[in-house]
Amino acid sequence: DIVMTQAPLSVSVTPGESASISCRSSKSLLHSNGITYVYWYLQKPGKSPQLLIYRMSNLASGVPDRFSGSGSETDFTLKISRVEAEDVGIYYCGQLLENPYTFGAGTKLELK
Amino acid sequence: EVQLVESGGVLVQPGRSMKLSCAASGFTFSSFPMAWVRQAPTKGLEWVATISTSGGSTYYRDSVKGRFTISRDNAKSTLYLQMDSLRSEDTATYYCTTGGSSDWGQGVMVTVSS
Repeated sequence: DIVMTQAPLSVSVTPGESASISCRSSKSLLHSNGITYVYWYLQKPGKSPQLLIYRMSNLASGVPDRFSGSGSETDFTLKISRVEAEDVGIYYCGQLLENPYTFGAGTKLELK
Repeated sequence: EVQLVESGGVLVQPGRSMKLSCAASGFTFSSFPMAWVRQAPTKGLEWVATISTSGGSTYYRDSVKGRFTISRDNAKSTLYLQMDSLRSEDTATYYCTTGGSSDWGQGVMVTVSS
């Protein structure tokens, strides 16, 4: 199985500042079709996960452009610019390249 | 608006069976692969099973293979998860999601305990 490793496990951010979360995969997530199958999700307290970024750098519908995704074949970053109170929760990276699809352990974002 | 509404969760004894349902609306259900993802209490996300648009192709994680069956009824826009020989480690909130994970249901809690 592809292992997804996130860092840090928790981050505390002052509102208005930026935050970055890293994710590393144990195998390249670059498909031969040129698409990198890494996804980012946010699970707000008591809620279902919601998709933020798909295929490494594409913003999901309705997601503020304060969120952005980037990376290479195995190293990925989610950046949140101008963090707001509504951004609090647990962020997960996931790979949908091959079964079984797998997720990182999650990064908890809190406000200072 | 896409809606995925799970149902069927309850308390069940180890070794017994349970069937989850996910009613979909707001999109062309038959055009999308679908999946179940679970989350044990205070734990992370775990992909359980995936089914193709026609239902002809399925995938299961090793720990549920042979015990869980994912299926779909495109005429009813409904996804199912038949869970047999349940174990305590299957205790989790089960989410229905589109195959590309763009939409998620509210989740249904399954507790396996004697």
